[in-house]
Amino acid sequence: NAGVMQNPRHLVRRRGQEARLRCSPMKGHSHVYWYRQLPEEGLKFMVYLQKENIIDESGMPKERFSAEFPKEGPSILRIQQVVRGDSAAYFCTSSPPQGARHEKLFFGSGTQLSVL
Amino acid sequence: QKEVEQNSGPLSVPEGAIASLNCTYSDRGSQSFFWYRQYSGKSPELIMSIYSNGDKEDGRFTAQLNKASQYVSLLIRDSQPSDSATYLCAVNPPMFSGGYNKLIFGAGTRLAVHP
Repeated sequence: NAGVMQNPRHLVRRRGQEARLRCSPMKGHSHVYWYRQLPEEGLKFMVYLQKENIIDESGMPKERFSAEFPKEGPSILRIQQVVRGDSAAYFCTSSPPQGARHEKLFFGSGTQLSVL
Repeated sequence: QKEVEQNSGPLSVPEGAIASLNCTYSDRGSQSFFWYRQYSGKSPELIMSIYSNGDKEDGRFTAQLNKASQYVSLLIRDSQPSDSATYLCAVNPPMFSGGYNKLIFGAGTRLAVHP
């Protein structure tokens, strides 16, 4: 869904560098989900945030990964000291404040991270 | 057992035929079910959602849900080469009481429609 904006589309990093992925939700949405898709696999939930608050980070690796959604600006998924296994497509989606279990989720165009 | 299982394919069908894609899920209390289409190198695109047992039709697409047997399927009538993509099944399991949509995806089925 063009309403969820992600950038960059492609990000190349060398091992040990930091990667910062950005996601701007659809207009009127204040909740953001991040998913990761490894090659030949389905999407895996990483984290669910609302403005200035992490609601569920059960899918985040314990180390090197962090996410934030500040009061102003996009949500940021940050990966420190990247390794080759971090190479994947990272997708973001958003929902309105009232969020429901039947809410349909539309994904942004994603960021393809390649670690050399 | 994987939480959401799909045959990886490829499923090859001739143009104009019906493509049948299947998905099974392990959590019996799951409430919401979604089908996404993903072209190579692109983001998943939501094509169908279903919440109740039975069939739901939208154009050439029909989603079928059988909660007793824990499967959900997607039928694509009059398949076109442009339907060639990977189809992802996604399920919202019941154990999350937070009221948000924490989808569990299958690995996807590759569909190839040949002229």
